[in-house]
Amino acid sequence: KAGVTQTPRYLIKTRGQQVTLSCSPISGHRSVSWYQQTPGQGLQFLFEYFSETQRNKGNFPGRFSGRQFSNSRSEMNVSTLELGDSALYLCASSLVGAGVVREQYFGPGTRLTVT
Amino acid sequence: DQQVKQNSPSLSVQEGRISILNCDYTNSMFDYFLWYKKYPAEGPTFLISISSIKDKNEDGRFTVFLNKSAKHLSLHIVPSQPGDSAVYFCAASIQGAQKLVFGQGTRLTINP
Repeated sequence: KAGVTQTPRYLIKTRGQQVTLSCSPISGHRSVSWYQQTPGQGLQFLFEYFSETQRNKGNFPGRFSGRQFSNSRSEMNVSTLELGDSALYLCASSLVGAGVVREQYFGPGTRLTVT
Repeated sequence: DQQVKQNSPSLSVQEGRISILNCDYTNSMFDYFLWYKKYPAEGPTFLISISSIKDKNEDGRFTVFLNKSAKHLSLHIVPSQPGDSAVYFCAASIQGAQKLVFGQGTRLTINP
């Protein structure tokens, strides 16, 4: 079974621009979560989607948004990029019904650099 | 606030010996705990998990111990192998909350 895939793997953007990252979960996984990893803050939860609905959101500004499609693929968008948004953005999928997320399986991440 | 803490940023162990990675948590609502391993330029890889109703879970060379009264968990790797060199993250979740809370990670180096 193919793992979680994320595109693009690397991205360089300029301050003020916006960016969209894509994630395809493991086949059959309906829950998709997004995390931001930075050297100073570690892995921070952004949001989680299940059946096209955002079920939980982390403590990030409204510039960070996401969505999930009917095939469980997910995108996250960051508008008005700031230098501090430079990070590794990780997507994780989980095999779960309407209950609680437990084991999550991560993709390789998208490395975003804002200049 | 840091609800999940890994106080050792790094650990060096000789090949063949036991590696013990530690993690402390503050939120008593956490009821499920996980360990992930991460190589550079890759996403975290799930290793092993434990529910709060258990105090031990084993999977091959990996064993996780949970001490609820101390709010402490540990990952034991026996015997340690060079391929175990990576950053290890512990994570916790609360039933009903759809997210994992991660520690800051411990860099494990296995020396030949």
